[in-house]
Amino acid sequence: EAGVAQSPRYKIIEKRQSVAFWCNPISGHATLYWYQQILGQGPKLLIQFQNNGVVDDSQLPKDRFSAERLKGVDSTLKIQPAKLEDSAVYLCASSNTVSGNTIYFGEGSWLTVV
Amino acid sequence: GENVEQHPSTLSVQEGDSAVIKCTYSDSASNYFPWYKQELGKRPQLIIDIRSNVGEKKDQRIAVTLNKTAKHFSLHITETQPEDSAVYFCAASIHNTDKLIFGTGTRLQVFP
Repeated sequence: EAGVAQSPRYKIIEKRQSVAFWCNPISGHATLYWYQQILGQGPKLLIQFQNNGVVDDSQLPKDRFSAERLKGVDSTLKIQPAKLEDSAVYLCASSNTVSGNTIYFGEGSWLTVV
Repeated sequence: GENVEQHPSTLSVQEGDSAVIKCTYSDSASNYFPWYKQELGKRPQLIIDIRSNVGEKKDQRIAVTLNKTAKHFSLHITETQPEDSAVYFCAASIHNTDKLIFGTGTRLQVFP
C-alpha cells in the first residue's frame, strides 16, 4: 500500500517569498491533516479536512497560510508571505475510519526561511 | 487549552536495559493515545496505541499503560536495541475526536 506522498521534500526561500507544498494521502483516506513540526517539538495541527471540507483550521495563521483540498483527494498548503519562524517540517497525514482513525504521516516537507 | 506533557526529554540506556517514557494529559475526554517513533529525517511512525477502555497493551518488546484517573500513560520498551534509538512522541486525542495533540518528544539513545 502506498503511503502519504509529499513534495517538495526540501525548500529554502527568503522571507516574504511564497511557497506551496503538495500532499497525496493514502488511497481511500477521507481525512487529511497538515501538521507543522518545529525542530525539537512535537507536530502541531494546522488544518484538518474531511473529504473536501475543512473540519478544523483554528490553528492555521490565516493571514499567511492557506490550504485547499478541492476534489477531496490531493491537498496544497501555501505560505505567503513567509516569515523566519515558519521554518519547520510540514507533515501531511491521513486517516480513515477503517484504520480505526490511525493517523499515517508522510515524510514531510522541510522548509527553511532565510 | 488541552496539553500533553512528556518526560524525560532525553533518555540514554544501555543495550538490553528497559526504557520508560511518561506522558500526562489534561483533557479528561481524551480517549485515544498513540505513540509515534521518529528517526532523524523520517516520518513519525505509529508503534503502538491504546484506547481509554483498556488499561494496558503489549506488542512484543513494547507496552503502553494508561491510568485514566491520574490522566497519564507510559511507554515501556524492554530489551532495548540500538535500532530503538529515535525520538518518541506521545499523543492524546482532543476530546473524543480524531485530532491529536502531541507531547514534546523524548530522544532515546541506546548504547551498545
